[in-house]
Formats: sequence, C-alpha cells, structure tokens
Amino acid sequence: DSGVTQTPKHLITATGQRVTLRCSPRSGDLSVYWYQQSLDQGLQFLIQYYNGEERAKGNILERFSAQQFPDLHSELNLSSLELGDSALYFCASSVEGTGDNYGYTFGSGTRLTVV
Amino acid sequence: KNQVEQSPQSLIILEGKNCTLQCNYTVSPFSNLRWYKQDTGRGPVSLTIMTFSENTKSNGRYTATLDADTKQSSLHITASQLSDSASYICVVSEGSKQKLVFGTGTRLLVSP
Repeated sequence: DSGVTQTPKHLITATGQRVTLRCSPRSGDLSVYWYQQSLDQGLQFLIQYYNGEERAKGNILERFSAQQFPDLHSELNLSSLELGDSALYFCASSVEGTGDNYGYTFGSGTRLTVV
Repeated sequence: KNQVEQSPQSLIILEGKNCTLQCNYTVSPFSNLRWYKQDTGRGPVSLTIMTFSENTKSNGRYTATLDADTKQSSLHITASQLSDSASYICVVSEGSKQKLVFGTGTRLLVSP
C-alpha cells in the first residue's frame, strides 16, 4: 500500500455520462497530481493541486475538471464521456509543490471503461 | 519538443539472466531522471532517481546509469526474478517547470 488511495478501482459507464474519481493523498502530502494512461501510452499529466490551489495544468480537456478539498483529498470530474476517455487514471502525491526533493507516490489507479 | 523514448518496447528473458533497458530523452532543461517499476494494474513505484551530476545509482539488483551529455540512461537488472515482470518507465523532470515527462515504458517478462 503506497498510502495514496484511489476510488473506485474500476468504473464502467456509458458515453455522455459524468463520473467522479477520488484520490486521498499520502498523509502529510500537500500536492496531488492527476495522470491519464491510455492503452500502450505513457502517463499524461492532467493537473496538479497544491494545498487546495491549482498549481499546474497539463493536457486536460475542458470536459474534465478537478479540485482539492480542505482535507487535501482531490476529485477528478469527467463529463460528456467519450469512448476515447477509457483509460487508467492515476493520482500521485508529494510533500511539496514538486516531488523533486522527496519524490512522488502513486496510487493504484482507477480503470475507467466507457461503453 | 520534450520527449522520452524507451527501448526495447518489450523484452522476454529467462529467470536468472541479466538485462538492460534503454532511455533516450530530449527534455531540456534537465532536472532529474527517474526509473519506475509498474506492475500490471498498479501505480508506478520509484526505483532510482539521478540528478545531472550523478552517473550511476543502485537499488538492490537494479542499477541505473545516466549520461547527461548524450541524454541517455539505462536500467540494468541483475539475476532477474519472476517478480521483475513489469513495465519499467523512464521519467525525466523538466527543470524550469519541474514537469514530469514519461516514457511509454519497456514491458519485461521474466520466464521460468
């Protein structure tokens, strides 16, 4: 157990629907990062929050949004889902605004299947 | 464009044998390079991290090398075990924005 908790582990939904993925960072970590991993693709950075504030944005679609709550857990909202959104969604956390000093810890991911 | 390329894409070796995985990157400015192990259906787990001034780092049977001049890294696995079967991902941190650039990984299968 890495200490980063992601729920649910699996999610199957229909096109056009909206889902929410949840991430609880490792205790003491202030930053949360969201990544998308499509089949045979590298992890693509979506967005980072640090202590409740958006810190960096990557290749996140307008249909996707995220937030980090006062208790530091984060939610990734995916709406108007398309077949191409099927992927593994990973959350990672770090102590600081960057993991360069103390590293990143990844959760086990949520596998989203859009049918 | 900042990119990380890994080779081979996949590899099958016999248990007990050694292997070497390659990573070439074009990320600039460079901050550090990490190797991660990702078991199927799990999140990546860090194996090693190297900064510009380090050219080798070991973690048990895993040894990573870095040549910052040629922008190449390798991960050498010694005396492979069945549990080494996983994807190995090279990740380079882009210095100015501390953004991680991920390779697509090498899928290693260790066969008995």
